[in-house]
Amino acid sequence: GIQVEQSPPDLILQEGANSTLRCNFSDSVNNLQWFHQNPWGQLINLFYIPSGTKQNGRLSATTVATERYSLLYISSSQTTDSGVYFCAAPNFGNEKLTFGTGTRLTIIP
Amino acid sequence: GAGVSQSPSNKVTEKGKDVELRCDPISGHTALYWYRQSLGQGLEFLIYFQGNSAPDKSGLPSDRFSAERTGGSVSTLTIQRTQQEDSAVYLCASSVPNSGANVLTFGAGSRLTVL
Repeated sequence: GIQVEQSPPDLILQEGANSTLRCNFSDSVNNLQWFHQNPWGQLINLFYIPSGTKQNGRLSATTVATERYSLLYISSSQTTDSGVYFCAAPNFGNEKLTFGTGTRLTIIP
Repeated sequence: GAGVSQSPSNKVTEKGKDVELRCDPISGHTALYWYRQSLGQGLEFLIYFQGNSAPDKSGLPSDRFSAERTGGSVSTLTIQRTQQEDSAVYLCASSVPNSGANVLTFGAGSRLTVL
């Protein structure tokens, strides 16, 4: 099945800083999603982005499907951005999403 | 409902007992997924339903685990003869896979502790 790897595993930043999180996947995908898991465990879908670039406020994501990676950008970080960020991709032709191991982001006031 | 609802939110049980975890997906969502998340770890796929059928049960860790879905809605995940290694948060998600964007919406999870 597809392999999904994320980097860095941990990131600690001062409030106001910008960050880039990376997701590499081993096979062609038609569905790439980014999620944020807050400190209380709730998973929220941030982006559905099989290709191209999308922006939502201070967050944006870019997927380069031909090179099998996706990037999540967070600008002007706030303490509420803390948590774990996961990317997920399906096995080709299969609706099952395989999740990466996540990037734990800690924003310090 | 407005979101994916899971119950119980917290369950503490003794080793060897059976447990049932329930998921009520968003109305109209035909696909339903169960994942497991151990402490500090990523999400492990368990099973996926399209309607009432389960095209992919490949993630169920042993024959002590089973799941069913009835009426294309509520799903129950059953763990028989629980073991301590079953302790985890069990997450349910639902989606509309034929919408062109199979975006998953997750519930808050059921935290299972096996003593």
